[in-house]
Formats: sequence, structure tokens, C-alpha cells
Amino acid sequence: QVQLRQWGAGLLKPSETLSLTCAASDGSFSGYYCIWIRQSPKKGLEWIGEIHHSGSTNYNPSLKSRVTMSVDTSKNQFSLKVNSVTAADTAVYYCARGHSTSGLDSWGQGTPVTVSS
Amino acid sequence: EIVMTQSPLSLPVTPGEPASISCRSNQSLLHVNGHTYLDWYLQRPGQSPQLLTYRGSNRASGVPDRFSGSGSGTDFTLKISRVEAEDVGVYYCMQALQSPWTFGQGTRVEIK
Repeated sequence: QVQLRQWGAGLLKPSETLSLTCAASDGSFSGYYCIWIRQSPKKGLEWIGEIHHSGSTNYNPSLKSRVTMSVDTSKNQFSLKVNSVTAADTAVYYCARGHSTSGLDSWGQGTPVTVSS
Repeated sequence: EIVMTQSPLSLPVTPGEPASISCRSNQSLLHVNGHTYLDWYLQRPGQSPQLLTYRGSNRASGVPDRFSGSGSGTDFTLKISRVEAEDVGVYYCMQALQSPWTFGQGTRVEIK
């Protein structure tokens, strides 16, 4: 099974930018989407959005104004940025590989992100 | 957005016995292509979610055949034919028909 590794800063102050990166162990995102999901006790699992290997994106309308997803095809790495974070953005963030037709078959280990002054 | 509702939210189970979790959506999850975009995931304690079934009833690679997904339209069920100790955790349904994809609240399965 493909292993996804994700990394990024885990402690942010309000108004800062959350930045996470995700990569597959064997580079196998071709043809798939990288989906970003977050999990908090208050909101449960929340779909942030998706980015295809080609670079096309689709964001959750509730976060769209603050979210940017990108792909570095030379490194097979996908990135998530959320700007102007607040305490409400405190959550465990996951990247996952998949497609709407086949489910999310591989997940990263999760990155706990805390926003606190 | 599509709202997903699971029941029960907590399910005590006895090893070797069957178990069943329900998931309902407030809109049909049937795509015009004939596929139903409903997935089931299990999140074991301290772990990331893992895919169990996709498009309603297709078991993911490596998932034991004691897990089965069924249903159509707005009503779906995940069944475990004989629960094992390793099946404890929180089960989620998720719809991937319409953006934003949305999850149920989760059903916590624990051993009696």
C-alpha cells in the first residue's frame, strides 16, 4: 500500500499561514487527487479540498477564500496553505490519495495543528 | 451541502457476533453514470482513517470479507459479519457525489 508522508508546522499564532506538504513513498499520485481533510472534536472530519496531479483544484466553499493547494510535479509533492488562521483552524490535518470513484485509499499520518496566541 | 447522518453513534459489540451501522444522506448519492458515491472508513484509535468500501459496496484492497457495504439512494449500511477485537474504532461514511464531500458524525464500535 502506498505510504503518504506529510509535514509542516504544528503551532501557529492567529493570522499566520498554515503550510503543509504531502508526498507519496513511491511518487504514485499520477491519475489521482490529493485530498486534504481536517479533523477536530467540534466539526469532526471536514473536507478541505482536492488537487489533481495536473494542478486542477476544488475547494470547500467554507474555506475557499483562505485556502491554496499546489503541486510540485518535479518532486511529486502536494502542498496546502491556509492563511489568516484562527483558533477554529486547530485540528489534525490529513492528506489522502484518491478519487471520487475509488475512495481515499491511502492517508498520511496526520499533522496536529494548534493555533494559539 | 449533503448532510450525512449515522446511527447508532455508539455500538457495543460482542466478538464473533454481527454488527451493523446505518448511514443516511439528505440527497440521493446516485450519479448519472449509475454509480453511488458512498464510502466507508474505519479510524482505529490513534490512527488515520482507512478505506473499507467505496462506491457503496466495493471492498477496498486488503479489507477482510467480513466487511460489506450495501444500500442505494439515501440509505446505506455497513455490516460486519463476525466482529473481531481489531474492529474497534470509529466508523465513518462519506459521500463523494457532490463537492464539498461530507462525512457522517461517526459510529464508535467497542467491545462489550
